[in-house]
Amino acid sequence: AQSVTQLGSHVSVSEGALVLLRCNYSSSVPPYLFWYVQYPNQGLQLLLKYTSAATLVKGINGFEAEFKKSETSFHLTKPSAHMSDAAEYFCAVSAVGRGSTLGRLYFGRGTQLTVWP
Amino acid sequence: ETGVTQSPTHLIKTRGQQVTLRCSSQSGHNTVSWYQQALGQGPQFIFQYYREEENGRGNFPPRFSGLQFPNYSSELNVNALELDDSALYLCASSSLRQNTEAFFGQGTRLTVV
Repeated sequence: AQSVTQLGSHVSVSEGALVLLRCNYSSSVPPYLFWYVQYPNQGLQLLLKYTSAATLVKGINGFEAEFKKSETSFHLTKPSAHMSDAAEYFCAVSAVGRGSTLGRLYFGRGTQLTVWP
Repeated sequence: ETGVTQSPTHLIKTRGQQVTLRCSSQSGHNTVSWYQQALGQGPQFIFQYYREEENGRGNFPPRFSGLQFPNYSSELNVNALELDDSALYLCASSSLRQNTEAFFGQGTRLTVV
């Protein structure tokens, strides 16, 4: 079974500060991991994905995440927050294995990022 | 823009009614997944369609049903609507063969009154 826990439902940072959004996963098989961003009244946009290649993954808009198997974590970071980063962020896991598909995702509850000027 | 389109964007229904939501998948994708996102929650997997057949289902009752058409577009049907069905319904398309990530549409906001 797969599941995701996002620590902190709300994170607030000042513009220019480091962004750190936490995600821990549970998976009975090697996982694929994703971060999605959702702006108000919109669908989900993929920020980045881990699919068993490099453990440090770079995504769009300056975000990156590091897969740490020993910690079962996939935290999202950005060195310098921008006002336009304010949104809801979702971590998701997908099973890798026979009969599975990247289309079936298990999401965390989300973290709302607020960026102060 | 992901190329995944959903209609309608907003919908208000009365408890007990039936609703049909539609999704056009991205070109080249053969798999459509549906998710329910309640207010303040992460999306929950409802079911997935691959080559016009259901290919996995989440923890949703049978009154949630779906279809996939030969052009890989899809419908989500919900019968006997309940107040708790009020949510954002998201459609995601992907390709099983190419093992691509899922691309999401803008969603349909369903309100049940």
